[in-house]
Amino acid sequence: DTEVTQTPKHLVMGMTNKKSLKCEQHMGHRAMYWYKQKAKKPPELMFVYSYEKLSINESVPSRFSPECPNSSLLNLHLHALQPEDSALYLCASSPWQGSYEQYFGPGTRLTVT
Amino acid sequence: DQQVKQNSPSLSVQEGRISILNCDYTNSMFDYFLWYKKYPAEGPTFLISISSIKDKNEDGRFTVFLNKSAKHLSLHIVPSQPGDSAVYFCAASANNAGNMLTFGGGTRLMVKP
Repeated sequence: DTEVTQTPKHLVMGMTNKKSLKCEQHMGHRAMYWYKQKAKKPPELMFVYSYEKLSINESVPSRFSPECPNSSLLNLHLHALQPEDSALYLCASSPWQGSYEQYFGPGTRLTVT
Repeated sequence: DQQVKQNSPSLSVQEGRISILNCDYTNSMFDYFLWYKKYPAEGPTFLISISSIKDKNEDGRFTVFLNKSAKHLSLHIVPSQPGDSAVYFCAASANNAGNMLTFGGGTRLMVKP
């Protein structure tokens, strides 16, 4: 199984809502990543988890809260988002943090109204 | 300031001909380079990579060339097929930065039958 799955595929939320994005992989990878991608821009790294511990936070606003409940799951909790947070949120995993090749999920298309 | 640039946002090629996608970088500490391919509604998929100790890596129809002195790499696809139509992202990483990926802006390749 070389797949990274993400749910939901699409999400529309208001600025006062609380929602969560989910990511799952069963490749035994010990590093998992959240990226944000705006239209016609490259993916931008948000967070890195290594062995279920937060390793990198690229100065992401606190309205984004990551969580890694176990080695296969990665969540991104969203609260009080702004319309400019609308983007494609990509999850990725790799065998360990620093291994070059990352496997990406299909992403969640988020719209904040 | 973008450290990895793909100056051509789009490229159109006839089926059977060669596709050449270009990528330039500014950070001389980058020591590993990757190409990802992205179809609509899917996450990026790893395609091919090259270490800075090499100047060429070939995998089937795909060849990546690296010119370190010019800080330039290119992806050649020969022969191009309609199924190659996608957005191609160049990415670079530096061992001294934890091998985190820095992506270029992407080039949309259209292969016409």
